Amino acid sequence: QVQLVQSGPEVKKPGASVKVSCKTSGYSFDTFAIGWVRQAPGQGLEWMGWISGYNGNTHYAQKLQGRVTMTTDTSTSTAYMELRSLRSDDTAVYYCARVAALAEFDPWGQGTLVTVSS
Amino acid sequence: EIVLTQSPGILSLSPGERATLSCRASESVSSSFLAWYQQKPGQAPRLLIYAASSRATGIPDRFSGSGSGTDFTLTISRLEPEDFAVYYCQQYGSSLFTFGPGTKVDIK
Repeated sequence: QVQLVQSGPEVKKPGASVKVSCKTSGYSFDTFAIGWVRQAPGQGLEWMGWISGYNGNTHYAQKLQGRVTMTTDTSTSTAYMELRSLRSDDTAVYYCARVAALAEFDPWGQGTLVTVSS
Repeated sequence: EIVLTQSPGILSLSPGERATLSCRASESVSSSFLAWYQQKPGQAPRLLIYAASSRATGIPDRFSGSGSGTDFTLTISRLEPEDFAVYYCQQYGSSLFTFGPGTKVDIK
């Protein structure tokens, strides 16, 4: 079955960077895009961006432009999301999800908690 | 950027009752690209409905979606205890995605 398994929790200081991985299995990686979504504590879902599994093309949410980079490693069917210049309001659970045929996110990874604290 | 508004913010109902959740877009959304998710505490979201009205694999038929243009609805015909959760709508257009703020369905 299709599975997305994310890397473990991270604690970072303000100004640092974090890189979250999302290892996929159960489907052909280059057939679908991977989307990234985050959720601050007690808040709703915020779309961050997506990357094509086929050619690596990316589209980022405007508010994160310049701080986020999404990449893929097709040899290991893994997607990565790096966020730089971390601030306290970047504290959130970060999810990856496969972008299915009609732009729905399915399935989702288990989430990675990133805590930004001095 | 298309903004999604969900109402009500909180819906308090009893098991067995019907739940009607609304998702309104700031401009017209393609019905092909409107989805609904359920999220329970401590869990990742789960896809319920895609293309406005198609149930995802394994989703019970008490969940249904409808709508077009700027107004979409998720209906739960008879609430089961496991349905009390937060529900989000999501749209895609012009290479961008947005989520609504969510509707919490809690037990009355």
